[in-house]
Amino acid sequence: GAGVSQSPRYKVAKRGQDVALRCDPISGHVSLFWYQQALGQGPEFLTYFQNEAQLDKSGLPSDRFFAERPEGSVSTLKIQRTQQEDSAVYLCASSRAVAGGSYEQYFGPGTRLTVT
Amino acid sequence: GIQVEQSPPDLILQEGANSTLRCNFSDSVNNLQWFHQNPWGQLINLFYIPSGTKQNGRLSATTVATERYSLLYISSSQTTDSGVYFCAVLSGATNKLIFGTGTLLAVQP
Repeated sequence: GAGVSQSPRYKVAKRGQDVALRCDPISGHVSLFWYQQALGQGPEFLTYFQNEAQLDKSGLPSDRFFAERPEGSVSTLKIQRTQQEDSAVYLCASSRAVAGGSYEQYFGPGTRLTVT
Repeated sequence: GIQVEQSPPDLILQEGANSTLRCNFSDSVNNLQWFHQNPWGQLINLFYIPSGTKQNGRLSATTVATERYSLLYISSSQTTDSGVYFCAVLSGATNKLIFGTGTLLAVQP
């Protein structure tokens, strides 16, 4: 079946603009994750959803970052008033796991955000 | 929190050579995954291996959970193997993956 998809693949924003990044997980996957990958580093966790419930948002770097998954499928990561330090690749992953479970995570291609 | 270290940080191979990449982690884990990030940035799943040994073609992996390390073996390397290899662990009740620093592999023809 289809993998995780993300859109847009590339986004250029002027400092201060708001952006919205979309993730379509693998059909039937209960868990959805957002990660941020800075240049030359490994991905770092931002937030986790089980269905529509946001169970962990400990990795969100500031209150300018907001994520939602209202119907338990598609998720949107929103960044308000973008800053240059927000420039990174934003990766979405999904898995079959429920909280406390452990299943393989599958990643989308990412959205490369550049803030000028 | 749990620490994940990978070695070597960089590796250059001639096509056809073999290599071993190592991943050390500082605490017990429930899950360990190996990924290959290709030059276009896509994370490709290689192995889901919390313990034991698995093989897939020219690649194999071994995780010794009691000693807190995992190894990724690449045999008869090809130029398409180039990219960054990450291990990532999941620990405790959270579901987030904690990534290592990666090994940058370049395979030369």
